[in-house]
Amino acid sequence: EPEVTQTPSHQVTQMGQEVILRCVPISNHLYFYWYRQILGQKVEFLVSFYNNEISEKSEIFDDQFSVERPDGSNFTLKIRSTKLEDSAMYFCASSGGTAGDSNYGYTFGSGTRLTVV
Amino acid sequence: GENVEQHPSTLSVQEGDSAVIKCTYSDSASNYFPWYKQELGKRPQLIIDIRSNVGEKKDQRIAVTLNKTAKHFSLHITETQPEDSAVYFCAASRGRYSTLTFGKGTMLLVSP
Repeated sequence: EPEVTQTPSHQVTQMGQEVILRCVPISNHLYFYWYRQILGQKVEFLVSFYNNEISEKSEIFDDQFSVERPDGSNFTLKIRSTKLEDSAMYFCASSGGTAGDSNYGYTFGSGTRLTVV
Repeated sequence: GENVEQHPSTLSVQEGDSAVIKCTYSDSASNYFPWYKQELGKRPQLIIDIRSNVGEKKDQRIAVTLNKTAKHFSLHITETQPEDSAVYFCAASRGRYSTLTFGKGTMLLVSP
């Protein structure tokens, strides 16, 4: 079964540092997303990406955040200057968009646990 | 924006019992309602979903019902097993590629 791959699985960073979280979506998917989950809380939407541009973003996704699809396979989330409250599990997801695709819904990656100290 | 409420926050059942988790949503334009199971420290995994053109969907021991008029949908697990223990999240969206709005989750504990 195709998977969404995320690296690293765990990242510890100092407050104020920049981090880049990496994702490899499922190869024939066209829609990509980042969600985050603070420990013990619900999953929250950050941003969606389609056709090489942001299609929707939440209030959480402020100027400190950016996303990029630098090549045909990777999808990255950058946090420019991390804050303590950015500590969370960050999930990448992708969903299908090709003609005849019957896979309705997202596939989530296994997540990157970001700890800001 | 969409608001999804989920109840109960915790649910303890005996093995073999049924479990029901309920969600309500606010956006009448929402038409896709997935349920995710999340084990500790792992990714949310889709277990069943329903689109607004059907009222009920079943997959072995798991079923989901949808009442569009009342804007609520429910997850039913029959013959629960200890391996069903996890956090279950409902979600709603306006379409297959749209933003998912999640409920706060239900921790299901199935005791042997």
